[in-house]
Amino acid sequence: DAGITQSPRHKVTETGTPVTLRCHQTENHRYMYWYRQDPGHGLRLIHYSYGVKDTDKGEVSDGYSVSRSKTEDFLLTLESATSSQTSVYFCAIRAGGPGGETQYFGPGTRLLVL
Amino acid sequence: AQTVTQSQPEMSVQEAETVTLSCTYDTSESDYYLFWYKQPPSRQMILVIRQEAYKQQNATENRFSVNFQKAAKSFSLKISDSQLGDAAMYFCAYFPSGTYKYIFGTGTRLKV
Repeated sequence: DAGITQSPRHKVTETGTPVTLRCHQTENHRYMYWYRQDPGHGLRLIHYSYGVKDTDKGEVSDGYSVSRSKTEDFLLTLESATSSQTSVYFCAIRAGGPGGETQYFGPGTRLLVL
Repeated sequence: AQTVTQSQPEMSVQEAETVTLSCTYDTSESDYYLFWYKQPPSRQMILVIRQEAYKQQNATENRFSVNFQKAAKSFSLKISDSQLGDAAMYFCAYFPSGTYKYIFGTGTRLKV
């Protein structure tokens, strides 16, 4: 599992409230990603990070912001949650090097926005 | 645009039988990686198998093997001797070398 944890694992919140999801990795990987998974859409990239304080948008970034102040932590914030953001959120890291390119995922966070 | 297509939303297989899941991708790149991920009911995304585009030989991992056809841009997954534990969603993914972005298909649900 490449030492990736996500917290919380489940969250129920109300429309309009801020929500922060945390991803933590223990293996010092440079690249980290946030995806959302919805039926019929597979995994869609929200934001990614290529280093401390270095982040960029993915294909579905509207309504989301991220921060990475330490190599091991990548935070995803929904500034004002909406029902359309009800989803399962996955964090991932990119592992490269001589072994080849691979992406490993955290266990996911199930978010319900009422 | 680079895309990954899994044209089979759902497949069924009997225990001990063999099943093949299809994946096609669209790219103009010559150097890239392809992956199959398994997502059981626990929702954990598990890497099943990886293929480097520059390698002619098809990757294998125990009962899992791929049929990589670079010219046809096809990357199918064959599961032999299917087991109950193979029941899951399977996602095909593409990664062009030198970039940051992985591109995923919409998944195939395998029932055993």
